[in-house]
Amino acid sequence: QLQLQESGPGLVKPSETVSLTCTVSGDSLSSSSFYWGWIRQPPGKGLEWIGIIYSTGSTYYNPSFKGRATISLDTPKNQFSLKLNSVTAADTAIYFCARDQVREGPFGYWGQGTLVTVSS
Amino acid sequence: EVVMTQSPASLSVSPGESATLSCRASQIVARNLAWYQQKPGQAPRLLIYGASTRATGVPARFSGSGSGTEFTLTISSLQSEDFAVYYCQQYNNWPLLTFGGGTTVEIK
Repeated sequence: QLQLQESGPGLVKPSETVSLTCTVSGDSLSSSSFYWGWIRQPPGKGLEWIGIIYSTGSTYYNPSFKGRATISLDTPKNQFSLKLNSVTAADTAIYFCARDQVREGPFGYWGQGTLVTVSS
Repeated sequence: EVVMTQSPASLSVSPGESATLSCRASQIVARNLAWYQQKPGQAPRLLIYGASTRATGVPARFSGSGSGTEFTLTISSLQSEDFAVYYCQQYNNWPLLTFGGGTTVEIK
């Protein structure tokens, strides 16, 4: 059974970099045929796709993040991570990691989400 | 960017009645359209993909239709557990994925 679990600092200061990790069980990131992604949701608002990564390390990002987001793999730990730099209060959100249901399709498996608050 | 517009923003429905939710894409997305359900404090749950294919375990009272730019999610005979926020998402323009703003289905 595929499970994803996000972890992160909870509170980050403006202008700093937030680092989030998604730990995966039930599938191997190094050999998976699926894409793994990050999606966020500001409190009380809708969903925003941040980016995705494949087992080869290939990445694609939402252009609206203007190069602030970086997704990477740690295959020995079966984890993938998101780094978002130069954060502002607008980056306060619940951050979800997910895997697509069918390759290059919608997200069928989601973590429970982790809240990141940007505040001094 | 493909902009997804959902309507209405909210919908009040009595248990046992049906609900019809709409999603419009700013450009053709073929049938590469998914619907998600999100309850408070939970992650979104995939309900429908390919515009009309139910994901594993999704009850038959959820049905999706449409193609091109106009899509509909119909929930027949609403149950108490169906009151939630529903999002559509296009993946025709993969990897540039976009979500709609959501429709809240509330108890009348």
